[in-house]
Amino acid sequence: ILNVEQSPQSLHVQEGDSTNFTCSFPSSNFYALHWYRWETAKSPEALFVMTLNGDEKKKGRISATLNTKEGYSYLYIKGSQPEDSATYLCAFNNNNDMRFGAGTRLTVKP
Amino acid sequence: DGGITQSPKYLFRKEGQNVTLSCEQNLNHDAMYWYRQDPGQGLRLIYYSQIVNDFQKGDIAEGYSVSREKKESFPLTVTSAQKNPTAFYLCASSLRQRYGYTFGSGTRLTVV
Repeated sequence: ILNVEQSPQSLHVQEGDSTNFTCSFPSSNFYALHWYRWETAKSPEALFVMTLNGDEKKKGRISATLNTKEGYSYLYIKGSQPEDSATYLCAFNNNNDMRFGAGTRLTVKP
Repeated sequence: DGGITQSPKYLFRKEGQNVTLSCEQNLNHDAMYWYRQDPGQGLRLIYYSQIVNDFQKGDIAEGYSVSREKKESFPLTVTSAQKNPTAFYLCASSLRQRYGYTFGSGTRLTVV
């Protein structure tokens, strides 16, 4: 079974703080790395999919980077807002299937 | 609007009863998946299907069964053989295997 690890498990920040969290995954048989945003009582929503080593993606105040050689991805949120409060899931795609981490639960306090 | 619908949102069942969770998509996706989430854990794959009339076991298939008679539908039955059925169940679909997922909103099953 492939292990996808996310850290930290949870994070509390003040509005306006910038923050980042980590996803680590096996570096062999890499196909793609996905980030999802999951708000309470809603469906997980796709944020980014990255396939190439060194990929960087950005969506508003949220960005992500990918290092396939060492097996990690960072998600950054600049100037956190209360509406950013959610669980952020990463998922690793190899040649066969997709494996999810346990998520990082972000709470942004006004 | 295309999407994936799970029903019901909350489900209560007595121990020993089978229960079926519904998952329907109108996205014309080939692949569909069932995951289970327990507190503090990642999503764990129960079953997946890449094409109609075909499905494969995931990591925790024991005590569950599925069918894929139509492209749009992938129901999950939680049988009485499942030892710890109380959990949050999430259905997803993708255009093909290894593409990004579209998720349903989940069903929380409580067995009493």
